[in-house]
Amino acid sequence: SAVISQKPSRDICQRGTSLTIQCQVDSQVTMMFWYRQQPGQSLTLIATANQGSEATYESGFVIDKFPISRPNLTFSTLTVSNMSPEDSSIYLCSVETLGTQYFGPGTRLTVL
Amino acid sequence: GENVEQHPSTLSVQEGDSAVIKCTYSDSASNYFPWYKQELGKRPQLIIDIRSNVGEKKDQRIAVTLNKTAKHFSLHITETQPEDSAVYFCAARSNTGNQFYFGTGTSLTVIP
Repeated sequence: SAVISQKPSRDICQRGTSLTIQCQVDSQVTMMFWYRQQPGQSLTLIATANQGSEATYESGFVIDKFPISRPNLTFSTLTVSNMSPEDSSIYLCSVETLGTQYFGPGTRLTVL
Repeated sequence: GENVEQHPSTLSVQEGDSAVIKCTYSDSASNYFPWYKQELGKRPQLIIDIRSNVGEKKDQRIAVTLNKTAKHFSLHITETQPEDSAVYFCAARSNTGNQFYFGTGTSLTVIP
């Protein structure tokens, strides 16, 4: 398995600002994923981040709104830009190792 | 892309009874089917998974069955306990891509 940490665990932000979420893994992994989970809902994939290449975004998500960095095989960041209340959600990073997907603890974001 | 449907959305059972959650998928190329348990405020945790070369897998009180022809797979929990209460998500992954596609979740309540 993989041990995944995220920072911050939660934040309350003002409309129009940006927040960068960090994801750290205890081992080198090729695939890292960013998900959004709104209250009572399932997990929606935002993008897949590979080291050394641009992230691949799912339909409905764009790089300008959710820029992602993947500087090495153990770390990634997701930025939520120009936030609105509709961005209030839990954001989870995830990694795949040996064909199995593991999740970080999530970042609970509230936008006022 | 893959479409995963999950039923029921909510399920209540008496302690000691069995619980069954069913999922269907659309992409015949999907070959890996994990199940996750998510307790309130916590990250999704992998509880069991099955690959397409296997029809059934069991781990103590939890079992998963897969019918590739019908494109459906099910989670079975026997002798349910109150600590089994959580939201359960099924997922499917195609051998042609890296993404995991999640079902909409089942909120299981085990009544003591």
